[in-house]
Amino acid sequence: DIQMTQSPSSLSASVGDRVTIPCRASQNIDTFLHWYQQKPGKAPKLLIYSVSTLQNGVPSRFSGSGSGTDFTLTISSLQPEDFATYYCQQSYSSGYTFGQGTKLENK
Amino acid sequence: QLQLQESGPGLVKPSETLALTCTVSGGSISTNRYHWGWLRQPPGKGLEYFGSIYYSGTTHYNPSLKSRVTISIDTSRNHFSLTLTSVTAADTAMYYCAGERGRTGLFDYWGQGSLVIVSS
Repeated sequence: DIQMTQSPSSLSASVGDRVTIPCRASQNIDTFLHWYQQKPGKAPKLLIYSVSTLQNGVPSRFSGSGSGTDFTLTISSLQPEDFATYYCQQSYSSGYTFGQGTKLENK
Repeated sequence: QLQLQESGPGLVKPSETLALTCTVSGGSISTNRYHWGWLRQPPGKGLEYFGSIYYSGTTHYNPSLKSRVTISIDTSRNHFSLTLTSVTAADTAMYYCAGERGRTGLFDYWGQGSLVIVSS
């Protein structure tokens, strides 16, 4: 299994802040790295795929970067609707795996 | 716009078999654009992927979970199903069905989730 590690598990920030959320893979996953946003009581929503491509309709304040084993999701100016849990996922191997998530909380 | 809806019992006894169905609406399950997958999320935890199925019946399972899992499809009813055998309390989770773009690992469409509790 490829392990995906997200640390910290929670992050406090304020509206307007620039936020970065890291994700690390246990081995090289090339650019097979994707990000999902999940709000309480809802299903996850695909946000960014293949490291840096925004899903249709996702605001441009979201961006992704990285390659190999280390990746980052960045929100350039945090909005109230962005408080949620963010998961990274790899599809390099057929047994897709997800990180444990980083919960973005209002400071 | 595709919509997915899970259905099945919310309570399953230990050692029994969990069975869930996902009904697809707003489009045909017999499309070459999507594979149809199952995932779960234990309370307060991350997501775990079981596997996906194509309308032809071809399946791809997560090797880590393959031994207890079967995914099947009924194109005449526009639905696909998950069975998980010999359940324990550790299988208590929210179960999601999802539409996977091609065989890319990108889950574009999700059901609302079905909470399954394993308890006697």
